[in-house]
Amino acid sequence: DADVTQTPRNRITKTGKRIMLECSQTKGHDRMYWYRQDPGLGLRLIYYSFDVKDINKGEISDGYSVSRQAQAKFSLSLESAIPNQTALYFCATSGQGTREQYFGPGTRLTVT
Amino acid sequence: GESVGLHLPTLSVQEGDNSIINCAYSNSASDYFIWYKQESGKGPQFIIDIRSNMDKRQGQRVTVLLNKTVKHLSLQIAATQPGDSAVYFCAEDTGANSKLTFGKGITLSVRP
Repeated sequence: DADVTQTPRNRITKTGKRIMLECSQTKGHDRMYWYRQDPGLGLRLIYYSFDVKDINKGEISDGYSVSRQAQAKFSLSLESAIPNQTALYFCATSGQGTREQYFGPGTRLTVT
Repeated sequence: GESVGLHLPTLSVQEGDNSIINCAYSNSASDYFIWYKQESGKGPQFIIDIRSNMDKRQGQRVTVLLNKTVKHLSLQIAATQPGDSAVYFCAEDTGANSKLTFGKGITLSVRP
């Protein structure tokens, strides 16, 4: 969905490095989410934010942090990347009063 | 704990046939359900949703059925086409904080 963009689309990094994944949306939505996708495990929620001043942990937040710089921007950071954080990462948004989430194209992260 | 799961990991259908993708959920408090389609290299894309006060909802070539008695959700795709080949996810929301819990996904493969 071009309304939700993620950068970078692919990234290879080394163990111990800090890395930031960025998400931007033009849908005007208040709510933004970060998910991780691993083969056979579906999508798991890392962090979510209902507005700029609201940040909440999801089911697998350990090892990750987030920043909601503006309504349209939500970034995910790995402070010290480890190999088991190799995965596909998706950002999503939803509007207030609706539950449907719109997903970005994903970032494929490899930690060596 | 509560979970959303899918009965089969893969489904192969002949082009033109109808497809039925099943999903079991275990959280009786869930009041909203949604199906997503994920094509290779892309983010999940919304297909159709249904609220718990409904048993059936139809879209273009797709129908979602909800059986709350046995906590079962299904997605029916009429006249399956090669472009329907993808991974399909069901997800549920209890409504408490607008977070979706995703199933593991099932691959639909359409034979020409």
